[in-house]
Amino acid sequence: SQKIEQNSEALNIQEGKTATLTCNYTNYSPAYLQWYRQDPGRGPVFLLLIRENEKEKRKERLKVTFDTTLKQSLFHITASQPADSATYLCAPLSGTASKLTFGTGTRLQVTL
Amino acid sequence: NAGVTQTPKFRVLKTGQSMTLLCAQDMNHEYMYWYRQDPGMGLRLIHYSVGEGTTAKGEVPDGYNVSRLKKQNFLLGLESAAPSQTSVYFCASSPLSNQPQHFGDGTRLSIL
Repeated sequence: SQKIEQNSEALNIQEGKTATLTCNYTNYSPAYLQWYRQDPGRGPVFLLLIRENEKEKRKERLKVTFDTTLKQSLFHITASQPADSATYLCAPLSGTASKLTFGTGTRLQVTL
Repeated sequence: NAGVTQTPKFRVLKTGQSMTLLCAQDMNHEYMYWYRQDPGMGLRLIHYSVGEGTTAKGEVPDGYNVSRLKKQNFLLGLESAAPSQTSVYFCASSPLSNQPQHFGDGTRLSIL
């Protein structure tokens, strides 16, 4: 069955450092992969979408990579700030599918 | 611009009671989704709709019904609430399946 794995343990990093979050998937051939941010008590908010033919996508301090051979996506936040503290969800989507499946998310805590 | 609005925000029910959760979007999106989010389980898709008048089952549809009579509204019904349905329910919408989803801020439902 299709499976999405994100590190369930919180990632604690110091302000100014680069945070790297991992999303691994099995039994999938996603054509797209999306990343969302979720703050406590709020709904997820879309951050970035990367297509299978794109190796890397950037938006301000955010960078996403997509390795279809390793079946993995990495999400980087450079120069992290306490305001980046949140849970980050990945969601791969197969080309023929009409719905996303979300990973359980990784909580990021950025400290001063 | 309201985006996706969920009503109500909180509700407490007794086992066996019924209720309807309302989701409204003002972005003219074709696709709408209902998810539930439980600790350690991530977002799980209950039902979704690919357009007005259509509905389809997601990952965990049992015990729920939905209707999409108008393009902007997607209703989730619990006919006979059970304690296992205690959860946070999120509604989302998107223009197409492979495009970013916009989420509401959730309905926190407790069933005693």
